[in-house]
Amino acid sequence: NAGVTQTPKFQVLKTGQSMTLQCAQDMNHNSMYWYRQDPGMGLRLIYYSASEGTTDKGEVPNGYNVSRLNKREFSLRLESAAPSQTSVYFCASSPTSGRGSDTQYFGPGTRLTVL
Amino acid sequence: AQRVTQPEKLLSVFKGAPVELKCNYSYSGSPELFWYVQYSRQRLQLLLRHISRESIKGFTADLNKGETSFHLKKPFAQEEDSAMYYCALKDDYKLSFGAGTTVTVRA
Repeated sequence: NAGVTQTPKFQVLKTGQSMTLQCAQDMNHNSMYWYRQDPGMGLRLIYYSASEGTTDKGEVPNGYNVSRLNKREFSLRLESAAPSQTSVYFCASSPTSGRGSDTQYFGPGTRLTVL
Repeated sequence: AQRVTQPEKLLSVFKGAPVELKCNYSYSGSPELFWYVQYSRQRLQLLLRHISRESIKGFTADLNKGETSFHLKKPFAQEEDSAMYYCALKDDYKLSFGAGTTVTVRA
């Protein structure tokens, strides 16, 4: 199993450009998540999808949109990139969508720079 | 709203010395807490969860509800413990992470 995969690994954008970060998992997990990682701020949740067909805003959703295409795939879109969105983006998935100590499994990350 | 605080951004210890990473939380309910670790060039991964009361790679963490803390401890640090460590609090489907502590274990 590949686990959680993300594409691309690196991306440089100009201000105002758009792009979509792709995420897929092959573990048949219900829940998927997008985080951004910034120095001194840890990981902050952008959006999440508790189950196929649902998406919800996290802590920092402004400037982003998501699509839960199917159970496997969860994409993150930047419609008009801004320098403040320069970050490392992580996708994660987890096996249950309810309460309990389930584990989140992370992808390798996408390093995005917006000039 | 829940919040996780890791007061130390950087922690440097000698090999064989004890190491303790602090984590405090605020949560109006029964908390579920985790420690995640990111080694160099590797993915973020779960280290341990409080509910399991387990020791992983020599690390333990005890939930202290009175002090609202979940500190991570290891009595004898090893060089391979050098990594970024995140404390995380679960709220329904979501995890709230602290800012992280970078641990460097020196020979």
